[in-house]
Amino acid sequence: DQQVKQNSPSLSVQEGRISILNCDYTNSMFDYFLWYKKYPAEGPTFLISISSIKDKNEDGRFTVFLNKSAKHLSLHIVPSQPGDSAVYFCAASLPSGNTPLVFGKGTRLSVIA
Amino acid sequence: SQTIHQWPATLVQPVGSPLSLECTVEGTSNPNLYWYRQAAGRGLQLLFYSVGIGQISSEVPQNLSASRPQDRQFILSSKKLLLSDSGFYLCAWRAGGPGNEQFFGPGTRLTVL
Repeated sequence: DQQVKQNSPSLSVQEGRISILNCDYTNSMFDYFLWYKKYPAEGPTFLISISSIKDKNEDGRFTVFLNKSAKHLSLHIVPSQPGDSAVYFCAASLPSGNTPLVFGKGTRLSVIA
Repeated sequence: SQTIHQWPATLVQPVGSPLSLECTVEGTSNPNLYWYRQAAGRGLQLLFYSVGIGQISSEVPQNLSASRPQDRQFILSSKKLLLSDSGFYLCAWRAGGPGNEQFFGPGTRLTVL
């Protein structure tokens, strides 16, 4: 049973436009959510996170939105750049922080120049 | 600051040979440690995690094993590799407790021939 789902395996966006990556979860006990970016043959790098007590967190071009009632979060990248082309994983954490993060299967973003 | 090291970066091994991948973390104490595998074009599969020395939890039964002989050292092993063990292996660490990010190592590309 997938508790964290990224239903779009891939997304193409033109350079300069907004990229929106979506993630849904089923476990209402998750209280902390994270986004990671992964280039081929490299480890994922942490991008941005959000606590369940917030509905928005912004860091430069990256903004994460959380809709707890819908159990949905999204990552907005504005403006998109070719270097943003990568696989993006969302992850969720239970309150203790000592159980493993639950990852989605990832969305491959291609930013076209 | 904290750093995570993995070696080797790449490895080509024959079927039936043993495996030992090592991961070490610097700059933190008592981290939670994780081993993941990413098969070609797939998501992140959690293999093992550890919340302390000698404490190993296995997520997927297979011919791999993990050990944590020291606080900041995590080792992934196999006695006899299978073709299906090929993949990209990632080590990660996370501070215990709520609201913490997880950080990944650079990964090891394992090819079993």
